[in-house]
Amino acid sequence: GENVEQHPSTLSVQEGDSAVIKCTYSDSASNYFPWYKQELGKGPQLIIDIRSNVGEKKDQRIAVTLNKTAKHFSLHITETQPEDSAVYFCAAKGGRRALTFGSGTRLQVQP
Amino acid sequence: EPEVTQTPSHQVTQMGQEVILRCVPISNHLYFYWYRQILGQKVEFLVSFYNNEISEKSEIFDDQFSVERPDGSNFTLKIRSTKLEDSAMYFCASSENVQGIGNTIYFGEGSWLTVV
Repeated sequence: GENVEQHPSTLSVQEGDSAVIKCTYSDSASNYFPWYKQELGKGPQLIIDIRSNVGEKKDQRIAVTLNKTAKHFSLHITETQPEDSAVYFCAAKGGRRALTFGSGTRLQVQP
Repeated sequence: EPEVTQTPSHQVTQMGQEVILRCVPISNHLYFYWYRQILGQKVEFLVSFYNNEISEKSEIFDDQFSVERPDGSNFTLKIRSTKLEDSAMYFCASSENVQGIGNTIYFGEGSWLTVV
């Protein structure tokens, strides 16, 4: 089955700096890569996703890049704000198979 | 914005008891899921459900677990004879499709199960 590795496990940045979280996946058949933000005690909230027919997608301060050859994808958050502090999960999915999550990155934005 | 709703938000149960967690998926979605997250760990897939039957399940989803869509709106997870290690946050999720456009999976806020 699919295996998703995520790094780093924790990330601390100063407000206004950029944050980058990286994931790798194992199954070359995976073609859908969402990113979820999880605040304490809440469910995962989709923040951005990318499909394998594109290499980059941007939504305001958030961008995701995908390298299918290397089987890795990254989340970029620019101009970080304290409210960006949360746990971020990457995930991968191919065809009809279930979504497989990475282990999560705890992002702390210091004011 | 449509959302997945779950009840209860928190349940404490005695070891060995049966628990039913309830979910109302987004109304036009056809695929339903249960995921589990043990405290501080990643979100793990349990089961997916489509057209009134299980379409995929993980190793975690053994005979202790069952799912049901008892009516046109609810989707339930039953855990029989609960064990201490079943303590976790259980997330229900739904999607319009399973692949291609519309396969985005939306999660509920979770049901926190504590087995004592």
